[in-house]
Amino acid sequence: AQTVTQSQPEMSVQEAETVTLSCTYDTSESDYYLFWYKQPPSRQMILVIRQEAYKQQNATENRFSVNFQKAAKSFSLKISDSQLGDAAMYFCAASAFFGNEKLTFGTGTRLTIIP
Amino acid sequence: DSGVTQTPKHLITATGQRVTLRCSPRSGDLSVYWYQQSLDQGLQFLIQYYNGEERAKGNILERFSAQQFPDLHSELNLSSLELGDSALYFCASSPAVGPGQPQHFGDGTRLSIL
Repeated sequence: AQTVTQSQPEMSVQEAETVTLSCTYDTSESDYYLFWYKQPPSRQMILVIRQEAYKQQNATENRFSVNFQKAAKSFSLKISDSQLGDAAMYFCAASAFFGNEKLTFGTGTRLTIIP
Repeated sequence: DSGVTQTPKHLITATGQRVTLRCSPRSGDLSVYWYQQSLDQGLQFLIQYYNGEERAKGNILERFSAQQFPDLHSELNLSSLELGDSALYFCASSPAVGPGQPQHFGDGTRLSIL
């Protein structure tokens, strides 16, 4: 079984600045996948970034990057040059490498962008 | 637009009733997932289908059932509804099964039980 913990219920950042959202997880598996999803007020769930646990290199997608620390079971999301459109709930999620593909989600972090 | 279509967007009904939520996956996607998002439980996996067959089951109540049809659309049936079933129900789809399949979510169906 996997558990995902997001300890920051809310975060805020000035527009154009950088913010880091924290996520820790627990799993007994050696291989797995980690994800960050964004849920704006429109309530859609949008995949932001995906990390394969067996890859050492941190995933990046434009202004979004992760800091993956496998030994510490930490998977933080860094948003650079924050924009007003980045305001949303951000969910960290995990899925197993073997077995089914279900996502286990954290409780989310609400990100506010200050103009 | 994720390409996953969920209907209806909103549903208001009373306790004890039965409802059906519908999901059409992205074109070409064979796997469908259902998730429930509520204030007290957060986002929880309910059930997954792949090419018409049940693949995985999560915290889905016995009052709930689902199926995936030959055209790959899926329906989630909720019966004997209780106030606590009020939630946002998401459908997601992925091309296949296997590690790290990216799941693309629909806009959800907001279910309100009065």
